[in-house]
Amino acid sequence: AQSVSQHNHHVILSEAASLELGCNYSYGGTVNLFWYVQYPGQHLQLLLKYFSGDPLVKGIKGFEAEFIKSKFSFNLRKPSVQWSDTAEYFCAVTPFSGGYNKLIFGAGTRLAVHP
Amino acid sequence: AAGVIQSPRHLIKEKRETATLKCYPIPRHDTVYWYQQGPGQDPQFLISFYEKMQSDKGSIPDRFSAQQFSDYHSELNMSSLELGDSALYFCASSLVGTDYGYTFGSGTRLTVV
Repeated sequence: AQSVSQHNHHVILSEAASLELGCNYSYGGTVNLFWYVQYPGQHLQLLLKYFSGDPLVKGIKGFEAEFIKSKFSFNLRKPSVQWSDTAEYFCAVTPFSGGYNKLIFGAGTRLAVHP
Repeated sequence: AAGVIQSPRHLIKEKRETATLKCYPIPRHDTVYWYQQGPGQDPQFLISFYEKMQSDKGSIPDRFSAQQFSDYHSELNMSSLELGDSALYFCASSLVGTDYGYTFGSGTRLTVV
């Protein structure tokens, strides 16, 4: 069965620190990969997605992620975090098959950024 | 741009009551997914519909049922509610065969007391 592992459940950073959140998935075929952010009390918002092409994907709010097929990884990065980045971050995967497969989410990483 | 609309935003029900949650997908999206997110949990897939037919089923209790109507909106019906059903219920929509991805609604927060 497909699964998604997020390495860190809680991350605490100071403003301006660099961020890298790990994500690994288990699926042998072609996948579509996503990072979603959920601010406190709000719904999931898409940060970025990878379907094909350049494995370095740039998203909103200065986030980027790199797809490394050989490592089954899709780590999220941001060079300098802000207090407003405090949120929960979910990595998600769906097998590539035309787009109507369910998203499988990781357990999430709760990020707290201190001023 | 139009987003995924869910109603109601908040719902309080007593144990053993029934609840109906509604989801209106983005116009022209043909697929709807329902997720349940308990407190501090990751979203768990419940069920999905493509072109008004059930396309996949996850960990949806037998007490729950859902359908997609001719206008593509979907309803999640929950009966014999239990305290453990308290959660945030998300709906997402997508368009098959495209790379537009999935768009989530704001969710319905159900509290069972």
